[in-house]
Amino acid sequence: KAGVTQTPRYLIKTRGQQVTLSCSPISGHRSVSWYQQTPGQGLQFLFEYFSETQRNKGNFPGRFSGRQFSNSRSEMNVSTLELGDSALYLCAGRGSSGTGELFFGEGSRLTVL
Amino acid sequence: QQPVQSPQAVILREGEDAVINCSSSKALYSVHWYRQKHGEAPVFLMILLKGGEQKGHDKISASFNEKKQQSSLYLTASQLSYSGTYFCGTPTPAGNQFYFGTGTSLTVIP
Repeated sequence: KAGVTQTPRYLIKTRGQQVTLSCSPISGHRSVSWYQQTPGQGLQFLFEYFSETQRNKGNFPGRFSGRQFSNSRSEMNVSTLELGDSALYLCAGRGSSGTGELFFGEGSRLTVL
Repeated sequence: QQPVQSPQAVILREGEDAVINCSSSKALYSVHWYRQKHGEAPVFLMILLKGGEQKGHDKISASFNEKKQQSSLYLTASQLSYSGTYFCGTPTPAGNQFYFGTGTSLTVIP
């Protein structure tokens, strides 16, 4: 079966701009979570969606937002970009059965200049 | 609440063994282990659900000490393909949020 798809894979923005990242989980996976990965902080939880509802949100400012569509695809948006937002943004899908493992995409690498 | 991993980095020669530790100041309900190769998505290795549980996959195994709030990943007779960054992760009781350790970079050289 197809894996988790994230687009775009790479993007460069300037401070003050906004960005939208997309994630398509494995078919049938209704939970999608987002993580910010930086060298110093590792994987930091952003938010989790299930059936179009945000169930949990990490400790990030309101500039970070997301949504999920009825087909489980999810988007995250970062407004008023700052230099510190440069990171790899990973999304992960999770099925309702099995061990609860996360299936990650390869990420979207954002560089803010 | 982020688990702490040690060591931060390790370099091994093929055939050597390594241990990666993951400890938390909060209760651990279960522990996941993932490996991320450079430029690739993190990949699930195993989950430990109960204290005292040990699991193995090929020559990679793990243990979970619920009382000590610790888990360890054991890599035996390492291979070049084991190189990557290893993360432990633990979910909240509701399972809808994960806390990941800062990662351990493991490099296996010939």
